[in-house]
Amino acid sequence: NAGVTQTPKFRVLKTGQSMTLLCAQDMNHEYMYWYRQDPGMGLRLIHYSVGEGTTAKGEVPDGYNVSRLKKQNFLLGLESAAPSQTSVYFCASSKYRGTVNTEAFFGQGTRLTVV
Amino acid sequence: DQQVKQNSPSLSVQEGRISILNCDYTNSMFDYFLWYKKYPAEGPTFLISISSIKDKNEDGRFTVFLNKSAKHLSLHIVPSQPGDSAVYFCAASDSSYKLIFGSGTRLLVRP
Repeated sequence: NAGVTQTPKFRVLKTGQSMTLLCAQDMNHEYMYWYRQDPGMGLRLIHYSVGEGTTAKGEVPDGYNVSRLKKQNFLLGLESAAPSQTSVYFCASSKYRGTVNTEAFFGQGTRLTVV
Repeated sequence: DQQVKQNSPSLSVQEGRISILNCDYTNSMFDYFLWYKKYPAEGPTFLISISSIKDKNEDGRFTVFLNKSAKHLSLHIVPSQPGDSAVYFCAASDSSYKLIFGSGTRLLVRP
């Protein structure tokens, strides 16, 4: 049972380059999230999706775009990478937003360095 | 401005004693709260949660307390074990489906 899988696990980009991070979940979850983790800042929400074909901005959306064309996949794009986007990126998914089984399951993370 | 705050970056506790991790929030629309645990080089894993209609939830050694009037929640770990050493994140959600995390508290349980 794979759960939440992030691709790639590591990447080094040059300033101005573009890339897409892929998140795939096999739990048939409705909700998916992209976070970035920086020292002292915790996990900050970039974008999220409440279902196939829908996306919404989180706390720090600037410089990122997302797409949810299929229920199981949530893509995070960086059109023109900047050193400030050096971070560890986590994807998460959850089944409900309610009082039962609401916990989000996380992927292993993608460590991105922009030079 | 941070909606979920963990003001203690680190906590050190002796094995067998109680660990108390604290979390404050500012958004009164939050109605569901969760605690996650994170080891280095791994994704966070769910620990325990509480709905705003309750003030306490227990799961084995872990208990979460919610004080809505103070907009404060805490996680108690009793007894603490060396394997509990990790970073603990508090998170909150509301009807907008966002899941907002705090900055984390690094817990060290000394043998």
